[in-house]
Amino acid sequence: GAGVSQTPSNKVTEKGKYVELRCDPISGHTALYWYRQSLGQGPEFLIYFQGTGAADDSGLPNDRFFAVRPEGSVSTLKIQRTERGDSAVYLCASSLRPSGRVPQANEQFFGPGTRLTVL
Amino acid sequence: AQTVTQSQPEMSVQEAETVTLSCTYDTSENNYYLFWYKQPPSRQMILVIRQEAYKQQNATENRFSVNFQKAAKSFSLKISDSQLGDTAMYFCAFMKQNFGNEKLTFGTGTRLTIIP
Repeated sequence: GAGVSQTPSNKVTEKGKYVELRCDPISGHTALYWYRQSLGQGPEFLIYFQGTGAADDSGLPNDRFFAVRPEGSVSTLKIQRTERGDSAVYLCASSLRPSGRVPQANEQFFGPGTRLTVL
Repeated sequence: AQTVTQSQPEMSVQEAETVTLSCTYDTSENNYYLFWYKQPPSRQMILVIRQEAYKQQNATENRFSVNFQKAAKSFSLKISDSQLGDTAMYFCAFMKQNFGNEKLTFGTGTRLTIIP
């Protein structure tokens, strides 16, 4: 079956512009995560969705960052007034729904990421 | 908060040899999971192996095995009979046991090169 897909693969924008990054999770995966990977670093958690709702957005760096998942499938990460420091690879991952009763550590399946470059 | 430290930015080894990647972590949690992910140039993170903290037995997946030392908070990855396809970035990751949010905390990675 299809894995997690992300579009665009690469995005170059100018400082101050608005960008949208899209993630298509694996069908049936209700949990969705966004991570940001800066050059030479490991991925850092941004936000977690369970279904349509953002259950944990504690990793979003500031209010210029926002993400939605209106129908519980595709998610869009939105960045307003981009800054050069936002340049990074943005990774999306999806997994099966945590049971809520038994801790499971469901495997997260990652997409190939979107490389964002802010000039 | 949890932290994950990978102290080897780069490593290289001859094909067919064995290599060990180090990872230490810091947490006050007693129940958690540890992972090793591989990231080739394609950028797609691939799960290599996982370890449940409550299990004393070290996890093994074919040529990949871990040495999990809970008291020392150490979680190293051993790759046996290394192959050219093992060339990639390797990330150690921590997940707190949770009934919902399963976010991962990653280390900074080790770039592994297998030399033909």
